[in-house]
Amino acid sequence: DAKTTQPNSMESNEEEPVHLPCNHSTISGTDYIHWYRQLPSQGPEYVIHGLTSNVNNRMASLAIAEDRKSSTLILHRATLRDAAVYYCILRGSNYKLTFGKGTLLTVNP
Amino acid sequence: DVKVTQSSRYLVKRTGEKVFLECVQDMDHENMFWYRQDPGLGLRLIYFSYDVKMKEKGDIPEGYSVSREKKERFSLILESASTNQTSMYLCASSPTVSQLSGYTFGSGTRLTVV
Repeated sequence: DAKTTQPNSMESNEEEPVHLPCNHSTISGTDYIHWYRQLPSQGPEYVIHGLTSNVNNRMASLAIAEDRKSSTLILHRATLRDAAVYYCILRGSNYKLTFGKGTLLTVNP
Repeated sequence: DVKVTQSSRYLVKRTGEKVFLECVQDMDHENMFWYRQDPGLGLRLIYFSYDVKMKEKGDIPEGYSVSREKKERFSLILESASTNQTSMYLCASSPTVSQLSGYTFGSGTRLTVV
């Protein structure tokens, strides 16, 4: 499975935008980029995914580099409830999600 | 909304016991997965199933088996529980059509083997 690299931790202030980066230089042409987050004591929660084009949904935006070797999850206005571990995952055709260590996002009031 | 329900939130079992962890999803998803999550090791895939009666080993299948007799239910079996199987177990499901969709996870079962 192609690997992703994320910073171990990031910090943000409430109501400010947050840009969470992910590098995936070995991505293949058919890999989708998925983002999940995990709040304390809960299972992971799907956030967003994309293939080539930027994507928006009610939770976040996903910006994908033109060469697809990196992507950025954008939370437009962080809230305290966004404090979580965020995982960037490449999903290929075998349905498997392989989780890395993710980025621990801390949101300061 | 899709729901994935795991039968127990917390479970304590004795070494050597046979343990069943049950997972049910209510949205007719083809694919179901079992992960375990441990501090410092993250989430690791144990087994997955892409259809009834079909199963495939994940990254750490040793000591586990699974059963999928009905589409909505995926069971994880610890034949003889050991203390190193103390962990948080997470079930997930996804549709096949499906590069187009995310996975839905249950809330987890925290298993302690004593």
